[in-house]
Amino acid sequence: DVKVTQSSRYLVKRTGEKVFLECVQDMDHENMFWYRQDPGLGLRLIYFSYDVKMKEKGDIPEGYSVSREKKERFSLILESASTNQTSMYLCAHWRRGNTEAFFGQGTRLTVV
Amino acid sequence: GENVEQHPSTLSVQEGDSAVIKCTYSDSASNYFPWYKQELGKRPQLIIDIRSNVGEKKDQRIAVTLNKTAKHFSLHITETQPEDSAVYFCAASLGFGNEKLTFGTGTRLTIIP
Repeated sequence: DVKVTQSSRYLVKRTGEKVFLECVQDMDHENMFWYRQDPGLGLRLIYFSYDVKMKEKGDIPEGYSVSREKKERFSLILESASTNQTSMYLCAHWRRGNTEAFFGQGTRLTVV
Repeated sequence: GENVEQHPSTLSVQEGDSAVIKCTYSDSASNYFPWYKQELGKRPQLIIDIRSNVGEKKDQRIAVTLNKTAKHFSLHITETQPEDSAVYFCAASLGFGNEKLTFGTGTRLTIIP
């Protein structure tokens, strides 16, 4: 069974806090991506990584950073959480070569 | 960068009828087009994909067609069933070595019993 684990299912944080969202996969996949999902906006790409220590900005990277110190773990960091970052965050990973993407169960983050 | 537009945003069809969802993409170099289904409260899951060297692909009641010239691709679901009710996302990618997956905004499909 595919296992993509996101650290929390629900999270409530205060404005200005530093927030860490973690994604861990056990399929030895190179590609790892972070998306946020908002009603009517679909899945928007925040950051992605093709390999350890490597990262690239997606379409909406402002206010976020990432870390990939190990192949199986890709962390999303909200440097100073703001209310407009309230959203569902989805991690995805897939084997290099445009193969099936596997999604985590999502973290619903609320910033108050 | 790539831009993917998806229509309609909502679609209701009678059980047993067909449903069609359409997507257009902007980058003519895109060559991989998957479709994901997200049931309520669940994660998106791949249902079918197509690569640019193929014009059509079928898997039981689901088919995808690709028109590279017009830069659009469509999902066709025949003989719809209640379990087809979900949000469907199309996506596009440039391919090996540049696998950023850009998604459409989604279509909420409701099957009316």
